[in-house]
Amino acid sequence: AQSVTQLDSHVSVSEGTPVLLRCNYSSSYSPSLFWYVQHPNKGLQLLLKYTSAATLVKGINGFEAEFKKSETSFHLTKPSAHMSDAAEYFCVVSDEDNNDMRFGAGTRLTVKP
Amino acid sequence: AAGVIQSPRHLIKEKRETATLKCYPIPRHDTVYWYQQGPGQDPQFLISFYEKMQSDKGSIPDRFSAQQFSDYHSELNMSSLELGDSALYFCASSLQNSYEQYFGPGTRLTVT
Repeated sequence: AQSVTQLDSHVSVSEGTPVLLRCNYSSSYSPSLFWYVQHPNKGLQLLLKYTSAATLVKGINGFEAEFKKSETSFHLTKPSAHMSDAAEYFCVVSDEDNNDMRFGAGTRLTVKP
Repeated sequence: AAGVIQSPRHLIKEKRETATLKCYPIPRHDTVYWYQQGPGQDPQFLISFYEKMQSDKGSIPDRFSAQQFSDYHSELNMSSLELGDSALYFCASSLQNSYEQYFGPGTRLTVT
């Protein structure tokens, strides 16, 4: 069975500085990987997804993630944080058919002025 | 620690039947979210509740309804089921205005 580990429960950055949210996965086959964002009282919003195409995936709002098989990682990055990026971020791994999605525990991103 | 409980875990129904999915949030959590994930698709937000009132609405079909009860558990009622309703239905819970949201294991609904 696949699983994900989000290495930081809380990340705090200053506005305009880079963001790094870490995610390691475990899967016995070629996984699909996703990053979702959730703002308070709102549903999940897909940021980006990796499905065995390009290893560097660009998403919405300037976010991107790189699939590194050798490191079993799928870290989320953004060059410059904005106040509106403050939210909870979930890393998700799925089997090839997206029939069994496993969510990480989430990382809360705080952006300081 | 207690987690979000969903029941049943698996459900098989025929077309035009009804189904009720239940979600029991983590104790003291007052907000519940429902998501639908079809085969090969991303999860889609359906609806959310806070203190028994609908707080946000997503792509929930008119054939579906949901409510939250006084003990904060929630039920998703699905009528006139269609083959396309076959999916994994996730429930998540949180405290109002909290970033921390916890997901249940999901209910897999198969419509035949």
